Amino acid sequence: ETGVTQSPTHLIKTRGQQVTLRCSSQSGHNTVSWYQQALGQGPQFIFQYYREEENGRGNFPPRFSGLQFPNYSSELNVNALELDDSALYLCASSALGGRVGNEQFFGPGTRLTVL
Amino acid sequence: SQQGEEDPQALSIQEGENATMNCSYKTSINNLQWYRQNSGRGLVHLILIRSNEREKHSGRLRVTLDTSKKSSSLLITASRAADTASYFCATVSVDTGRRALTFGSGTRLQVQP
Repeated sequence: ETGVTQSPTHLIKTRGQQVTLRCSSQSGHNTVSWYQQALGQGPQFIFQYYREEENGRGNFPPRFSGLQFPNYSSELNVNALELDDSALYLCASSALGGRVGNEQFFGPGTRLTVL
Repeated sequence: SQQGEEDPQALSIQEGENATMNCSYKTSINNLQWYRQNSGRGLVHLILIRSNEREKHSGRLRVTLDTSKKSSSLLITASRAADTASYFCATVSVDTGRRALTFGSGTRLQVQP
């Protein structure tokens, strides 16, 4: 059984650019959630994908968007990058069909730096 | 926005001592979970306590939950240098349709050998 993987590990972009982050969920998990963690803070919920559709969203603007594929892997896209988007982006998977009842399995994260 | 606060923000203890960290939250919850994070990497689930439970144990971990005060505590007994990490509480609430974890701000624990 493979765990949650994310790519790339690190990324440097400039303000105004667009970025795509990728996540492969743990085997058998059909729900993927994305979180943003600023330095020194706890993670904040961006959105969740279940059955290839957005299934819940936190307080993030529309320039944060995502996709889920039939194999349950997911992408996070951020357009028009701002300096404040610099953060660790975490992907988490679960097998509860759009609900977070038990533990979430987190990937190692992608560190995004916006210059 | 963060669900609540964790206290203390940072804690430094000697190996073998106990470490206690506290978490407060704001809304009604379905369950509360504690996670550990090493050096700004992925989070690892430690323990979950449901809203109808008051105390739970797992190895050297003891979690309590007081829903009337909207607070929880995590006790790590006989700490080891390897316990050095950031610890976060996270709640699952009906408000979010049980779709999201809402994290606290975390406690940075340093265990001195």
